[in-house]
Formats: sequence, C-alpha cells, structure tokens
Amino acid sequence: GIQVEQSPPDLILQEGANSTLRCNFSDSVNNLQWFHQNPWGQLINLFYIPSGTKQNGRLSATTVATERYSLLYISSSQTTDSGVYFCAVLNRDDKIIFGKGTRLHILP
Amino acid sequence: GVTQSPTHLIKTRGQQVTLRCSSQSGHNTVSWYQQALGQGPQFIFQYYREEENGRGNFPPRFSGLQFPNDSSELNVNALELDDSALYLCASSPGTGANGYTFGSGTRLTVV
Repeated sequence: GIQVEQSPPDLILQEGANSTLRCNFSDSVNNLQWFHQNPWGQLINLFYIPSGTKQNGRLSATTVATERYSLLYISSSQTTDSGVYFCAVLNRDDKIIFGKGTRLHILP
Repeated sequence: GVTQSPTHLIKTRGQQVTLRCSSQSGHNTVSWYQQALGQGPQFIFQYYREEENGRGNFPPRFSGLQFPNDSSELNVNALELDDSALYLCASSPGTGANGYTFGSGTRLTVV
C-alpha cells in the first residue's frame, strides 16, 4: 500500500522562528490533508490540498502531486503552534493513510 | 462537527466495548481510526450509507455499524491490553475526496 513519510520526526524551535515540515508519499493520491493534533487529541484540519499552494494566516502549504510531496510552512512560530502535525493522503480507494507525524515544540 | 462518546473509558481485558460517533450534518461517510501513543492514526474501517466499504488490518473482533442518521458505532470484543489507544471517528460528505472532519476521540484504557 501507499507509504507516507514525514520529516523531521521532531523539531524544537524558538518562538518567532520559521519552520518547514515535509510529507512524501509513494503513489498518486486523490487528496492530501494537513492536520494539527492538539494536546487533547483533537485533529484540526489545516489544509485540504491535493495540489497547488494555499495560505491561511501564518500557515501555508504546497503540494506537488507530480513529485509526490507536500510542504507545510509555519512562519513566526508561537507557543500555541506546539503539537503534532500529521500529513494524511487519500489513496485510490478513498481511504486515509496517515504519516507518523512531526512533533513540534516551540519554546518561549 | 463530529462528536464522540464517551471521552474516556477504562475496561478490563476480555470485556467488550462500544464507542459512538455522530457525524457532521450532511456527511454520509464515516471512518474509524486507532491511534496508539506516539503513533499516527491507523485506519480501522469505513462506512458509506450503512455499508462497510473498506477495512484496514484489524481482526474481526473490531466491528462497526452505521445508522440511517449517519451516526456510527465501533465495537471491540475480547479486549486486549494492546487495544488501549485513542479511537478517532471522522466523517466526510460523499466518498471522502472532499476531506474529512475528525472528532475529539475516545481514549480507551484496557487494564
């Protein structure tokens, strides 16, 4: 089945820094979503981005479907950005496959 | 949004458990995921219009139902210690290609 790899697995940054999270996938996909999981376990949808670039405030994402990767950019990090970021792809059977996540720690 | 109940649950090994999920209004696809500590969510199964239309690598003791109002249940029989995890429910309009919305999950502890 399709493989989803996220990097880096862990990232520690000072407040105000910028970061780039990467998601590689091994086959063509019908959709791709980025999620932020808060400390209580809730998965918050950040972007629904099968291709192209989207921006929402300090966050933006780019998916290059032909090269099978997506990037999530966080600018001017805040402590509230801490948590786990997951990339999830929708395979050809319309089932979600998650990566293992990137754990982000923003230090005050 | 998607609501799940209960939020927390403690069960004894060998027991059975039922978790519940109410889909977001207008969503007729619901899927369930198991998330072990420190891992990404793993797909259990998915229902569309009350029929299972996909299943991950989980044994038959994991079963589910989707009701006419698009709510859903996840049942796990003969609980094992390794079943301790966060169980997430997600819903989507149509087939899922328009994106999924997740609930807050049920944290199950098996002792």
